[in-house]
Amino acid sequence: KQEVTQIPAALSVPEGENLVLNCSFTDSAIYNLQWFRQDPGKGLTSLLLIQSSQREQTSGRLNASLDKSSGRSTLYIAASQPGDSATYLCAVRSSGGSYIPTFGRGTSLIVHP
Amino acid sequence: GEEVAQTPKHLVRGEGQKAKLYCAPIKGHSYVFWYQQVLKNEFKFLISFQNENVFDETGMPKERFSAKCLPNSPCSLEIQATKLEDSAVYFCASSQSNPGSKWEQYFGPGTRLTVT
Repeated sequence: KQEVTQIPAALSVPEGENLVLNCSFTDSAIYNLQWFRQDPGKGLTSLLLIQSSQREQTSGRLNASLDKSSGRSTLYIAASQPGDSATYLCAVRSSGGSYIPTFGRGTSLIVHP
Repeated sequence: GEEVAQTPKHLVRGEGQKAKLYCAPIKGHSYVFWYQQVLKNEFKFLISFQNENVFDETGMPKERFSAKCLPNSPCSLEIQATKLEDSAVYFCASSQSNPGSKWEQYFGPGTRLTVT
């Protein structure tokens, strides 16, 4: 059974810092991995999706990498801003027919001015 | 529409009452998923539909929970005889069916159910 762990659980940083959020998974046979953002009281917004054949995806100040062999993905946020404050969730879809993602518990990020 | 719509936003029910939640997927998406978020950030898959057919119900509790997706109507998730432990935010997501979609899911804003 796939298990997804996100470290750290919470992070508080000053504006302008570059950040790395970590996601690890136990079964490396994955189909894809998706990073989401959740604002308080809201649903999930998809940030980046990396297929198993890819090593990274970039969107603006966000870069997500995938290392299947070590069961890890990182989300890099460059030049953080207060508007980046949210919870970031990692969701892993396993290969072999399972399309339902397994979610991590998220990293709660606060970027203070 | 271009977004997944969920209604109501908040729902309060006394223990033992019925609760019914609704979800309208993005137009053109043929898959609908329901999730339950009880504790902060812990998403539990409940059920998925391909059009009006149940696709996967492995996460659905055997009792009290039911769901439907009927043609030309929002999908619904119904909880009979609610219990305190059903208090959660229920999220709906939809996905396209073409091979290029990669099962990317688009989430609605959720319905917060409070059972008192």
